[in-house]
Amino acid sequence: GENVEQHPSTLSVQEGDSAVIKCTYSDSASNYFPWYKQELGKGPQLIIDIRSNVGEKKDQRIAVTLNKTAKHFSLHITETQPEDSAVYFCAASISGNQFYFGTGTSLTVIP
Amino acid sequence: GAVVSQHPSRVICKSGTSVKIECRSLDFQATTMFWYRQFPKQSLMLMATSNEGSKATYEQGVEKDKFLINHASLTLSTLTVTSAHPEDSSFYICSAIRGPDDQPQHFGDGTRLSIL
Repeated sequence: GENVEQHPSTLSVQEGDSAVIKCTYSDSASNYFPWYKQELGKGPQLIIDIRSNVGEKKDQRIAVTLNKTAKHFSLHITETQPEDSAVYFCAASISGNQFYFGTGTSLTVIP
Repeated sequence: GAVVSQHPSRVICKSGTSVKIECRSLDFQATTMFWYRQFPKQSLMLMATSNEGSKATYEQGVEKDKFLINHASLTLSTLTVTSAHPEDSSFYICSAIRGPDDQPQHFGDGTRLSIL
């Protein structure tokens, strides 16, 4: 089955700096890659996603890149703010019916 | 948007009690709903996948008789933790998707279950 690895597990950045979280996957059949942000005591919220026919997608300060050949995808957050502090999860999906989640990255933005 | 409501948000009860958690898709019809369990500082562990009108598919190691899932309609799925014990204490999260083709999962806000 699919195996998703996520790094780093914890990340601290100064406010205003960029943060990058990386994920790798094992199954080349995976074709959908969402990223979720989870705040303490709440459920994960979708922040951005990318499909396998696209190499990069951007939404304001958030961007995701996908390298299908290398089977890895990354989340980039620019101009970080304290409210970006949360746990971020990547996921890979085959046909949208089964999702495989990474182990999460705890991001702390230091004011 | 796609809103998923989960209720209750927190339950504290005595050992031996059965607890029902509801998951509703408020503004869309969910073909599939998922139930997850999350331990502190860990990732989401898929427990089961449910499709409306059919039996849930449980992941290996998840007791079907312990965690009863009912997906009665396209907007409602329930998870019942039967005869709960302290080791069942956890954060339970549901999610729903609109359709089968690469749709994102939309998550509820979770239920914190504490068994005394």
